[in-house]
Amino acid sequence: GENVEQHPSTLSVQEGDSAVIKCTYSDSASNYFPWYKQELGKRPQLIIDIRSNVGEKKDQRIAVTLNKTAKHFSLHITETQPEDSAVYFCAASQGYSTLTFGKGTMLLVSP
Amino acid sequence: GAVVSQHPSWVICKSGTSVKIECRSLDFQATTMFWYRQFPKQSLMLMATSNEGSKATYEQGVEKDKFLINHASLTLSTLTVTSAHPEDSSFYICSARDTGSSDTQYFGPGTRLTVL
Repeated sequence: GENVEQHPSTLSVQEGDSAVIKCTYSDSASNYFPWYKQELGKRPQLIIDIRSNVGEKKDQRIAVTLNKTAKHFSLHITETQPEDSAVYFCAASQGYSTLTFGKGTMLLVSP
Repeated sequence: GAVVSQHPSWVICKSGTSVKIECRSLDFQATTMFWYRQFPKQSLMLMATSNEGSKATYEQGVEKDKFLINHASLTLSTLTVTSAHPEDSSFYICSARDTGSSDTQYFGPGTRLTVL
């Protein structure tokens, strides 16, 4: 089955800095890679996703890059703000199959 | 759009009782829903995949007789924790896949279960 590794487990940045979270996956058949943001005690919320037919996708301050050859994808947050502080999860799946999640990254943005 | 609700948001019960958690897709149809369990500061652990009109598919190690899943309509799936024990205390989250938009999953707000 699919295995998703996520790094780092914690990330502390100053407000305004960029933050990068990286994930690797094992199943070359995986073709869908979403990123979720979860605040304490709340539901995971989809913030961006990418499919294997593109290498990069951007939405305002958030971008995701995908390297199919190396089987890794990354989340990039620019101009971080304190409200970006949360746990971020990457995931991978093949089409309509189940999502396999990484272990999460706790991002702390200090004012 | 793509809103998933979950009820109750929290429940406290005595050991040995059963608890039912509902997951509803409010503005879309969901042929498939998923049930996850999340321990503090940990990732989401998939328990089972719920398919409308058919039996749920359970992940390895999840007792199907303890965690009963029913997906009777395209907008509702229920998880019943039977004969709950303190070790079943956890945060249970459902997600629903929008049948009309392929593989995107939307999560419910979760249910905090505490078994005394």
